[in-house]
Amino acid sequence: ETGVTQTPRHLVMGMTNKKSLKCEQHLGHNAMYWYKQSAKKPLELMFVYSLEERVENNSVPSRFSPECPNSSHLFLHLHTLQPEDSALYLCASSLKGLAGTTDTQYFGPGTRLTVL
Amino acid sequence: AQKVTQAQTEISVVEKEDVTLDCVYETRDTTYYLFWYKQPPSGELVFLIRRNSFDEQNEISGRYSWNFQKSTSSFNFTITASQVVDSAVYFCALSEPKRPGRRALTFGSGTRLQVQP
Repeated sequence: ETGVTQTPRHLVMGMTNKKSLKCEQHLGHNAMYWYKQSAKKPLELMFVYSLEERVENNSVPSRFSPECPNSSHLFLHLHTLQPEDSALYLCASSLKGLAGTTDTQYFGPGTRLTVL
Repeated sequence: AQKVTQAQTEISVVEKEDVTLDCVYETRDTTYYLFWYKQPPSGELVFLIRRNSFDEQNEISGRYSWNFQKSTSSFNFTITASQVVDSAVYFCALSEPKRPGRRALTFGSGTRLQVQP
């Protein structure tokens, strides 16, 4: 496979469930990102992982927990979510994540999450 | 204040018409990057172009062209002879690499383009 893949593509979960979103990049990149796309808000960054650091948006609730075991895989663990967390969750990767530089980010197809 | 403004929420054109999508950004940095992404109904964000703040030369790629004007802080995107396959949501984004917490992209709210046959 090429590019950035995400599984599952669709997920419906109850508020008491625990689930995980998976992202895998096949581009040899060193930085990965989670974004949230809600119906009426701009895309917002949740987390960044690179070889050097992890950066998170301080407004992201603790019920979202990222994990990056290596440079090719990124997970988003979900627990006790709220209905307002329903959104499209997009993963992206870029070649480098060093401070002071920026690279083009390539996105996966997203996971459409519905919290009942 | 919004860092990236896409004032056009939705645009509808007829096939073969030209259409321009506006993007206005705000930054105090001298070094920054601007991007355009396309999001078709499938949901995946497709990278279209990346432009750094030191390169004001306009760019053309097939039916796509971009007009970067630092004087007005705008980075507009024009599709010439639009086609139905151009129907998507288009996002403009800003990256400010020297600003802590801003190395990732700041997106505009997007413009939905509908191209009617």
